[in-house]
Amino acid sequence: QVQLVQSGAEVKKPGASVKVSCKASGYTFTSFDINWVRQATGHGLEWLGWMKPNSGDTGYAQKFQGRVTMTRDSSTSTAYMELSSLSSEDTAVYYCARDAHGGSGWFDPWGQGTLVTVSS
Amino acid sequence: QAVLTQPSSLSASPGASASLTCTLRSGINVGNYRIYWYQQKPGSPPQCLLWYKSDSDKQQGSGVFSRFSGSKDASANAGILLISGLQSEDEADYYCMIWHSSAWVFGGGTKLTVL
Repeated sequence: QVQLVQSGAEVKKPGASVKVSCKASGYTFTSFDINWVRQATGHGLEWLGWMKPNSGDTGYAQKFQGRVTMTRDSSTSTAYMELSSLSSEDTAVYYCARDAHGGSGWFDPWGQGTLVTVSS
Repeated sequence: QAVLTQPSSLSASPGASASLTCTLRSGINVGNYRIYWYQQKPGSPPQCLLWYKSDSDKQQGSGVFSRFSGSKDASANAGILLISGLQSEDEADYYCMIWHSSAWVFGGGTKLTVL
């Protein structure tokens, strides 16, 4: 079945970077955009950006420009999201999600989420 | 002012209907946008329920009950998710989303309680 499996929880110190992976299976990885969304505990959803796995093209939310980098390894069907200059406000669950209809906003499926904790 | 505003909470009784609103910021015309609706239950990622732009441009998720439907209130500049015949399993957080200024934007979410 179509599935996205993310890497495990991370604990980082302020100022550090984190890189989260998202491994796709059950479909052609290069045919669908991957989006990244985060959610702080008890808070709402916040979109970070998208990546086209076939070309590597990316688009980032203005808030994260200069701090986020989305890449992929097509040989392993894995997408990556790296966030730098971490602060406590970046503590959240980070999700990857496939855009199921070509840039439509229909995100399905989602990964299980990766908890990133930023603490000194 | 946020791009999308949702009431933080809503309560309704089993069997009743619930109307969840998503109001667009002044100057952003709801008529120009597909409104996406996501449902999130505790401990799980969100799930897309449907999108609605007009009666001729809408999509329901496979496996999503017909009790869920989308509409718009142009006078209020808002998208609406209507859930009829409420069941306990509908208790969840609901988020609206649009594509605006080259970014996906979520509303703050509404916590729906069925009691």
